[in-house]
Amino acid sequence: LAKTTQPISMDSYEGQEVNITCSHNNIATNDYITWYQQFPSQGPRFIIQGYKTKVTNEVASLFIPADRKSSTLSLPRVSLSDTAVYYCLVGDLGNAGKSTFGDGTTLTVKP
Amino acid sequence: NAGVTQTPKFQVLKTGQSMTLQCAQDMNHNSMYWYRQDPGMGLRLIYYSASEGTTDKGEVPNGYNVSRLNKREFSLRLESAAPSQTSVYFCASSEVADNYGYTFGSGTRLTVV
Repeated sequence: LAKTTQPISMDSYEGQEVNITCSHNNIATNDYITWYQQFPSQGPRFIIQGYKTKVTNEVASLFIPADRKSSTLSLPRVSLSDTAVYYCLVGDLGNAGKSTFGDGTTLTVKP
Repeated sequence: NAGVTQTPKFQVLKTGQSMTLQCAQDMNHNSMYWYRQDPGMGLRLIYYSASEGTTDKGEVPNGYNVSRLNKREFSLRLESAAPSQTSVYFCASSEVADNYGYTFGSGTRLTVV
């Protein structure tokens, strides 16, 4: 199982870009990287997924270097409502149950 | 659309009691999962069902059993609850047995005293 390491917490201010990095040194060839967002008292919500280089959707970008040993979730122009816990998940598509959630990064956005 | 529905939302059990947590999804997903989340920690996989008729152990299966009742429903049973099982339990589903786009329920907060 690919173990992930994230910063425990980060602070930011409204309107800033936030980058959260996840380390996954033993990522396997078939593993994909997925990020989730979790608000208090709710289940996690899918944000973005990628395999290599850069992926962008309407809410975030995911940057993955060539060696794939880390990944960075980028949130543009955060607002107070982006305050949440963000989880990086590394796993093999089609191989259910073989991936693990890390402890997550608590992002606090301040006015 | 309801997505993934979990019942109950809250439950208090005495040590040794049994109970079943229910989960149902209406997205026609093939795979379903049960996770637990302890305070300040990430999610740990208890059991999963890659497809109807199959179940497999995850990272922390001891003390739990599951039943994939049909394609929509996946239940988690605690036969003899212990204080160490105090946690928030999340059910999730995905279209196929992969890690793309899990849809999670809102959770069941279980306290064992």
